[in-house]
Amino acid sequence: EDQVTQSPEALRLQEGESSSLNCSYTVSGLRGLFWYRQDPGKGPEFLFTLYSAGEEKEKERLKATLTKKESFLHITAPKPEDSATYLCAVTSDAGNMLTFGGGTRLMVKP
Amino acid sequence: DAGVTQSPTHLIKTRGQQVTLRCSPKSGHDTVSWYQQALGQGPQFIFQYYEEEERQRGNFPDRFSGHQFPNYSSELNVNALLLGDSALYLCASSPGPTSGNTIYFGEGSWLTVV
Repeated sequence: EDQVTQSPEALRLQEGESSSLNCSYTVSGLRGLFWYRQDPGKGPEFLFTLYSAGEEKEKERLKATLTKKESFLHITAPKPEDSATYLCAVTSDAGNMLTFGGGTRLMVKP
Repeated sequence: DAGVTQSPTHLIKTRGQQVTLRCSPKSGHDTVSWYQQALGQGPQFIFQYYEEEERQRGNFPDRFSGHQFPNYSSELNVNALLLGDSALYLCASSPGPTSGNTIYFGEGSWLTVV
């Protein structure tokens, strides 16, 4: 059974204070690792897909990296508008359904 | 380019009733999945439809059923509603059922069971 664990559950940062969110996973045959952003009361917004260890992707202040056991979402010089819950999920040889972690709730104070 | 659209956005039902939620996939997508998200948790996979058939199913009882139409839109039906069915129901679509395809979500339907 695929499993995804995210840490920390919540993270408070000052504006400009860089940090990283962790996503560790156990799957049989990773097909894709996905990062989503979710604002309160809204659906998850797609950020990145990573497919193999060593892969990195960037978008504005966000950078996602992947190893064989975990993924990191690095946030550089965050702004208050980056406050949201960040969800990590995987798909595997079991099929194209996402197994999610519990999310990291990020709060960035001005 | 229209994304994944869902209706209704909010609804309140009484325990024991039945509910139908609707979803139109993103343009060019033919595979639709449904997820349940309880407050403070990550979404949980309910089932996936492709070519008008249920292809995969998560750990949900038979009270949860679905349908996909020839235009790829989909419905989620929940019978005999329980208080614990209160959640955000998310529809997601992808360009085919192949594992690893990027999956896009709609804004969800908030269901409250009283």
